[in-house]
Amino acid sequence: DAGVIQSPRHEVTEMGQEVTLRCKPISGHNSLFWYRQTMMRGLELLIYFNNNVPIDDSGMPEDRFSAKMPNASFSTLKIQPSEPRDSAVYFCASSLSSGSRSSYNEQFFGPGTRLTVL
Amino acid sequence: GENVEQHPSTLSVQEGDSAVIKCTYSDSASNYFPWYKQELGKGPQLIIDIRSNVGEKKDQRIAVTLNKTAKHFSLHITETQPEDSAVYFCAATRELGGYQKVTFGTGTKLQVIP
Repeated sequence: DAGVIQSPRHEVTEMGQEVTLRCKPISGHNSLFWYRQTMMRGLELLIYFNNNVPIDDSGMPEDRFSAKMPNASFSTLKIQPSEPRDSAVYFCASSLSSGSRSSYNEQFFGPGTRLTVL
Repeated sequence: GENVEQHPSTLSVQEGDSAVIKCTYSDSASNYFPWYKQELGKGPQLIIDIRSNVGEKKDQRIAVTLNKTAKHFSLHITETQPEDSAVYFCAATRELGGYQKVTFGTGTKLQVIP
């Protein structure tokens, strides 16, 4: 398997523009996570999907951020309009959740998208 | 919610020496503690984990310890090598509404000097 695939790897845009980040999870995984990494705040969970359904979006900063997972093999994170403070590395991760309370599931991270908003 | 603190933020050691990274957590319901290694330009990768019913776990040169009472857990790397240089994240996981919510520490940048 190629692992979690993210695109683009780098994105430079101007303030006010729409940005769309893409993620393809590992085939067969049923959980997908979007994270944001900054020097100041570290690695923050933005949103979690299970079986394509958003379960926890409490980490989404504000209404400018939205995420979708139309099918098991694709997810997007959209920022509209973008602001300079959105500059960060955005990671997508996937895992296989068995649903068992006694099992813990390794999250496999993609290589990330480095977003710069000027 | 859960709060995970990690120290130190940077750590430099000579090759062959040991490195220790410490974390504390606040939520007593957290019961699974993975450690991730992030190399430059890559995403974090799981290197070792420990569950709350275990006090210590070892995998070759890497070991983790957990003190549930004090809510402390640590990563120990012995006989460090240059390829151990990376950013290391601790994390605390708890069951929340049917899924496992992971809270990460702020990371430790480890530099192993040849």
